[in-house]
This record gives sequence, C-alpha cells and structure tokens, in this order.
Amino acid sequence: GENVGLHLPTLSVQEGDNSIINCAYSNSASDYFIWYKQESGKGPQFIIDIRSNMDKRQGQRVTVLLNKTVKHLSLQIAATQPGDSAVYFCAENNSGGYQKVTFGTGTKLQVIP
Amino acid sequence: DTEVTQTPKHLVMGMTNKKSLKCEQHMGHRAMYWYKQKAKKPPELMFVYSYEKLSINESVPSRFSPECPNSSLLNLHLHALQPEDSALYLCASSQDSGVMNTEAFFGQGTRLTVV
Repeated sequence: GENVGLHLPTLSVQEGDNSIINCAYSNSASDYFIWYKQESGKGPQFIIDIRSNMDKRQGQRVTVLLNKTVKHLSLQIAATQPGDSAVYFCAENNSGGYQKVTFGTGTKLQVIP
Repeated sequence: DTEVTQTPKHLVMGMTNKKSLKCEQHMGHRAMYWYKQKAKKPPELMFVYSYEKLSINESVPSRFSPECPNSSLLNLHLHALQPEDSALYLCASSQDSGVMNTEAFFGQGTRLTVV
C-alpha cells in the first residue's frame, strides 16, 4: 500500500540552529501534505500544509518544501527553540471524496539548550 | 473555538467491560475521525465519518463501534477489548469539501489501558 516514511527517527539540534526534517512518500496521487507536531502526552498539532500545485510554502519560522519529482517533503524550522522539541509527522492526503490522512513514521526533534 | 475535546483523558477497563470514548467539536466541521496511536508510532486511521455517515472503516475489529449522533459529536463504543488494544485514541475533525482537503484538528486523546 501507500507509504509515507521518514529518513531519520531522531534529530538533535543546537538551540538557535535551523532544523530540517525530511519525509518520503510513495503515492504519486497524493496532492495534499501536512506537517504535524506532537508533544508528549498531547494530540498532533497542525504546523503547515502544502498542496501539490506548490513547491514551497512559508509560515512563521517554518518552511515546507515539496519535490514531486522525487516524492520528497521537508520541514525547515528556523532558529530552533527548546519548545520545538517534539515528534514531527508528515502526513499525506489525496482528493477523492474522502478525507483519508496517512501519517509517516515520525521524527523526534531534540533541541539542545 | 478551534478545539476538539475528548473525554475521558484516561480510561482503564477490564476485558469484559463496556465503555465509550467521546469527542466533540464546534467548528462546523463535517468530517470526523478516530485514530489509534501506539507508543512511538504514528496515528493509524480507524474510522472516518463524513456528514454523519460512516465513509471509511479501516478493517477495524467489531469490538470497536463508532457512532456519530450529530455533526458535533463522535463516540467510540468499546466492548470486550484485548490488552493489545491499549493505546492513545485520537479524535480529529476537518472541513469536508469533498474536493479540496484541509487540515485535521486533533483532540488530546484518551489514554486507554485494557487490563
């Protein structure tokens, strides 16, 4: 079946540095991608999304890049802060009448003070 | 109000018990979801309701029974669960245009332990 996976399970970053979290997907029909942040004991929190007709989208301190040619998605966090420590999931969805969001395996981001 | 509220936050139940998880949202979203999340794993989709009708059942065992009484509420009825069903159960909601998807908002989850 379709698979949305991540390259690195854990990423350690110095406070103030930029973080890059990567994600690969295999379903070429996917047309909507979302990054979620999940802190311990909490539900996933929406960070940023991107549709397949775009290759870059920026938010506050976050940027998502989409490369449809190689089916790759990345989340860049600028000036990483201790509060950014969490597990980050990429998720995909494809139009088709039903909202079926499939999550990738997750990357744990550890920010070193 | 951009919240999805789940109750209870924690639940311990025996294998012969019957219990229900509840989820509520007042964002006018017409798609609601149940996900199951085991420790250190991503959320796995269980059910999707669209306009109060069950649209996706991801081959979930019948000991899990979803119910959508109205557009704001989603329940998950539990009966004769197994210890391996212990997990974080997440509810989510999103707008459902059927054409252009939007992000799902998640609740904080119910931590379920089956003993």
